[in-house]
Order: sequence, then structure tokens, then C-alpha cells
Amino acid sequence: GAGVSQTPSNKVTEKGKYVELRCDPISGHTALYWYRQSLGQGPEFLIYFQGTGAADDSGLPNDRFFAVRPEGSVSTLKIQRTERGDSAVYLCASSLIAGSYNEQFFGPGTRLTVL
Amino acid sequence: GDSVTQMEGPVTLSEEAFLTINCTYTATGYPSLFWYVQYPGEGLQLLLKATKADDKGSNKGFEATYRKETTSFHLEKGSVQVSDSAVYFCALSGGGNTPLVFGKGTRLSVIA
Repeated sequence: GAGVSQTPSNKVTEKGKYVELRCDPISGHTALYWYRQSLGQGPEFLIYFQGTGAADDSGLPNDRFFAVRPEGSVSTLKIQRTERGDSAVYLCASSLIAGSYNEQFFGPGTRLTVL
Repeated sequence: GDSVTQMEGPVTLSEEAFLTINCTYTATGYPSLFWYVQYPGEGLQLLLKATKADDKGSNKGFEATYRKETTSFHLEKGSVQVSDSAVYFCALSGGGNTPLVFGKGTRLSVIA
């Protein structure tokens, strides 16, 4: 079956612009996670959803970052007034339900470059 | 907070060599431990996991044992292949619904 998909695969934008990154989880997965991976680092947690609600958004770095999952499936990560330091690969993962025993399946990521 | 430290790479080995990638962790409570792998051009994939002390996770010839006394989860493989060339990430989840905490990753290159 289809895995987690993310679009676009690459996004180049200018400092100060607004961007949206999309994640399509595996069908039937109720938990969805966003991570950010900077060059040479491991993924860092941003936010996760159980269903439609953000269950934990403690990893969002500041209020320029926001994510939604209105129908409990597709999620969009939104970044306002982008800064050069936002350049990274943004990863999405989904699992059947939330919980450390449940495998997270990762998408290929969106590489964001802020010029 | 919870954290994971893994050996820095890159690691370069000849085919059929023995592999060890060290991973230690700091966590409150009883975390679950994971190794993820990222092959060139692909997304992260779960390689193996262990959910309690003394558990051994294994997959594709790789093994790691959850050692609570040394807070370690070292990845080992007896005989690496060129196809094992990838970046390996050690990770933990602190239990319940807590998200994954990753190490920085170790790049492995296996040469024929």
C-alpha cells in the first residue's frame, strides 16, 4: 500500500515569505507527527496529532510555526515570515495510534531552503 | 530532558567486517529504544526496536540489546554488506505518547 507522502519534495523561498508543507499519512493512521532535520543532525520533534487535535506542540520553535489536520488525515505545516534558520528537511510520520510501542512510518521529507 | 548520544561518523568498513555503532541514552522512566536507518534517497525506516531492559531487537542481521545498567543500545552486525551503506539513527521514546528523540546519526559506508 501507499506510504506517507509529502509535498512538495523541495521548496525554495525568500526570507519573509509564507510556506505550507503537506503530509498525507498512511490511510487509517490516526497519529501524525512532524519533525525537522537540520544538516548533520537527527530529526527533532515539532508537533503531533492524534486525530484532528494537536496532542503535543511543545516542539514548535516559535509562533511562526503552525500545523493543522482538520479532517484527521492530511496535515499542513505552515511557516510564516520564514527565516534562513528555518532551512531544513521537514519530515512527517504516521502511526496507527500514538504511543511508543507503535511504529512510526516516515515520509521522504520536504527540503525547505530559505534564501 | 531525554537525550540520545551516538558515535560520530563517518564509519567506513570493508565488506564482511564487523560493525558496532555505539548509542547511549538519558531518560527518566523506562523508554523504548529504536534504531532507524536512512538509505540514500529514501525516508527513515525502522530497523529494530526494544521496549524493555534486556530485550534484543534484531532485523536484517543487525542486533541491539537494551542495557539498562549501562543505558546503552549499541547496534551490531557480524558481516556488513555494501547495501548496508546508510545513515543510522538511534532513538528513544519515553513511554506513553511521547515523541521520538533522535541521536545525530552515524553515516556508514561499506566498500567492496
